[in-house]
Amino acid sequence: GAVVSQHPSWVICKSGTSVKIECRSLDFQATTMFWYRQFPKQSLMLMATSNEGSKATYEQGVEKDKFLINHASLTLSTLTVTSAHPEDSSFYICSPRGLAKNIQYFGAGTRLSVL
Amino acid sequence: AQSVTQLGSHVSVSEGALVLLRCNYSSSVPPYLFWYVQYPNQGLQLLLKYTTGATLVKGINGFEAEFKKSETSFHLTKPSAHMSDAAEYFCAVSDGGDFGNEKLTFGTGTRLTIIP
Repeated sequence: GAVVSQHPSWVICKSGTSVKIECRSLDFQATTMFWYRQFPKQSLMLMATSNEGSKATYEQGVEKDKFLINHASLTLSTLTVTSAHPEDSSFYICSPRGLAKNIQYFGAGTRLSVL
Repeated sequence: AQSVTQLGSHVSVSEGALVLLRCNYSSSVPPYLFWYVQYPNQGLQLLLKYTTGATLVKGINGFEAEFKKSETSFHLTKPSAHMSDAAEYFCAVSDGGDFGNEKLTFGTGTRLTIIP
């Protein structure tokens, strides 16, 4: 089956620093990448959708300048949380989808703690 | 707008007993419905999905779910629980739009515990 690698699984950073989260699809080409955010005891909330080579489309209320998404290749997408603050502490999950496989796969998630 | 409600954030059943995880949805268009399972330190895995056709959908690991339009429900069941079923389960709905870009709306999840 398809494998998605999301790294790091857990990161702690100081307020004001930037954190980059990587998501790789290991055995298929991800033409579309979804990024989700999950608060404790809440649903996964879609943050943005990106298609390879295009700018990401952000959901309402998600700051595009704070959450920078790069989907430059069919196997790698990154989410950078810029100038992180404690309220950005959350669980971030990537979800790649490929045209050749008509289901959506999910990374194991990254827990971000901002001190 | 779509929404998903999963009744019961925690469900405990004895090994060998029936598993029933409840999911109700709201959608203004015919929905596509999904159940995902998440094991510790792993990503969500698709258990089963309903798009069109037969309302009783069979998935992996012996799970099945029935789409009941009149009740706006898509409950997940398994006749006999196994210890390996312990995990977090998420119900999701999409608008069945242009496949490849439709957006999933998730429920808050149900943690299933199996009692030996």
